[in-house]
Amino acid sequence: AQSVTQLGSHVSVSEGALVLLRCNYSSSVPPYLFWYVQYPNQGLQLLLKYTSAATLVKGINGFEAEFKKSETSFHLTKPSAHMSDAAEYFCALNTGFQKLVFGTGTRLLVSP
Amino acid sequence: EAGVVQSPRYKIIEKKQPVAFWCNPISGHNTLYWYLQNLGQGPELLIRYENEEAVDDSQLPKDRFSAERLKGVDSTLKIQPAELGDSAVYLCASSFRSDADTQYFGPGTRLTVL
Repeated sequence: AQSVTQLGSHVSVSEGALVLLRCNYSSSVPPYLFWYVQYPNQGLQLLLKYTSAATLVKGINGFEAEFKKSETSFHLTKPSAHMSDAAEYFCALNTGFQKLVFGTGTRLLVSP
Repeated sequence: EAGVVQSPRYKIIEKKQPVAFWCNPISGHNTLYWYLQNLGQGPELLIRYENEEAVDDSQLPKDRFSAERLKGVDSTLKIQPAELGDSAVYLCASSFRSDADTQYFGPGTRLTVL
């Protein structure tokens, strides 16, 4: 079955520090992968997506993710965290037919 | 451009009561999705519409849940009767045919069943 696993339900960083949110996937076909962010009491907003073009994908708000087939990973990074980055982040896999399977989410906490 | 609109944003009901959620997708988006998001979990697809046709409703509990998308625009998701375990956030999303991989989400309706 196609699935994604997000390692760490909570990640805490200091403002200005590197952000690294981990996502591993399982797929029998070349995957389309996504990162979404969810702020409190809001819907999900697309950060970036990988659709088999460049393996390093740049998204909004300074985030980027690298697709590594050998590691079946699609980790999300940002060089310098900002207080406004505090939110829930979801990795998702397109299983085909426009169906997304989401991970359980990682809550990013940013301290001053 | 207006985003996906959902109402109500919050709903509190007693168990066994009916409840309905409404979604207005982004203008021109032919595909509409309803997701269920339990606390601490990622969204799970309930149903997907292509225009007015439900093309994937395999995860919709049909004994108590129903949905419709009249005229291929707005959609309504209904639960009757509601159970305690239905307390969750119900998200609506839409996408455009030419960029089907990108789904735009509404703010959701938070349902509390007492």
